[in-house]
Amino acid sequence: GNSVTQMEGPVTLSEEAFLTINCTYTATGYPSLFWYVQYPGEGLQLLLKATKADDKGSNKGFEATYRKETTSFHLEKGSVQVSDSAVYFCALPSGGSYIPTFGRGTSLIVHP
Amino acid sequence: DAGITQSPRHKVTETGTPVTLRCHQTENHRYMYWYRQDPGHGLRLIHYSYGVKDTDKGEVSDGYSVSRSKTEDFLLTLESATSSQTSVYFCAISESGDRGAEAFFGQGTRLTVV
Repeated sequence: GNSVTQMEGPVTLSEEAFLTINCTYTATGYPSLFWYVQYPGEGLQLLLKATKADDKGSNKGFEATYRKETTSFHLEKGSVQVSDSAVYFCALPSGGSYIPTFGRGTSLIVHP
Repeated sequence: DAGITQSPRHKVTETGTPVTLRCHQTENHRYMYWYRQDPGHGLRLIHYSYGVKDTDKGEVSDGYSVSRSKTEDFLLTLESATSSQTSVYFCAISESGDRGAEAFFGQGTRLTVV
């Protein structure tokens, strides 16, 4: 079935540093791809998504491009803030279905 | 914010007791899901529902059952709680079966089995 693999964390950065969190996927066909974010003590919320190859999703300064050649959907941000400290999950629908399937999550810690 | 309420938010229970967690939505979404979140495992699907009285198992369904008698409510029951079921449980909903559909999450229930 469909699956995603994320880089392990935690990722620790100083404020204003550049962020990349890697995500690669295995899928039948070309499913939509998602990034969710989980702030401390909360549930997940959608950060951005891309529905087809070469699409770029963006939100709150974060971006990710759906690359079928490398089966990747890496999350990037040019200048992180302390408030970006959270756990980030890459996700896609399970194979042949609509059910959201998540990576293991990557914790991001941003220091002032 | 999507109207999803999980109850209770925190619970401590003893091994061998039954426990029911409730997910209530006010969005009238058709699809509902229960996940558990554990360190090193991310989110794993326990059960899901695709309509009233229509449910199916996820990848970690052993020891859990669900019921959905109304669109708005999705109950997760641990028949006889074990320490391995100590976890944070999340309910999620989505509006359609479209593969691009966003999932909306509740705040989670932290369950401790002692």
